[in-house]
Amino acid sequence: GENVEQHPSTLSVQEGDSAVIKCTYSDSASNYFPWYKQELGKRPQLIIDIRSNVGEKKDQRIAVTLNKTAKHFSLHITETQPEDSAVYFCAATLGDSWGKLQFGAGTQVVVTP
Amino acid sequence: ETGVTQTPRHLVMGMTNKKSLKCEQHLGHNAMYWYKQSAKKPLELMFVYSLEERVENNSVPSRFSPECPNSSHLFLHLHTLQPEDSALYLCASSQDSGRAITPPDTQYFGPGTRLTVL
Repeated sequence: GENVEQHPSTLSVQEGDSAVIKCTYSDSASNYFPWYKQELGKRPQLIIDIRSNVGEKKDQRIAVTLNKTAKHFSLHITETQPEDSAVYFCAATLGDSWGKLQFGAGTQVVVTP
Repeated sequence: ETGVTQTPRHLVMGMTNKKSLKCEQHLGHNAMYWYKQSAKKPLELMFVYSLEERVENNSVPSRFSPECPNSSHLFLHLHTLQPEDSALYLCASSQDSGRAITPPDTQYFGPGTRLTVL
């Protein structure tokens, strides 16, 4: 069926190193791919998103890449800091179903000083 | 943070109780959503309202009943729930451009209601 797979489920990195989270999707009509960060006990918050007509987008230490042919997209966090510790969720629209986002299962990122 | 608010933040109820969750958005958006977040599972979309009309009901059991009286308010009425319904229920809102082929605008989440069904 239609789903979004996210890997890894947990990721431990040393402060200052890079973190990469990968997601794959199955619906070739998906055209919007947001990433959310959820700190413990808090709401998910959008950190970056990418639309299907763009291959890469960067915002300071965070970047997202999209490969539509392979149907995968990745989140890259450089120079990680302890405050980057959180659960990160990727999502993709389900075809042209307006407003319908399908989420990955999440990646628990732990940045150790 | 006052963009999207939810009440109550925590709720404990028995299987025979009737309760309601409330969501309010102060962002001027015209679309609202209910999601269920269970431990170690992806966020599950339950309902979508656009311009106060329900446009999505993602095979949710009838013991969950949504209501959207206007574009700023969204309710989730609960009755005869099961213990497996215990989860964090998140509300979100976004701006619907009205064109299905246009990627949706960002969804902003509320803080959630932590529901425990005994």
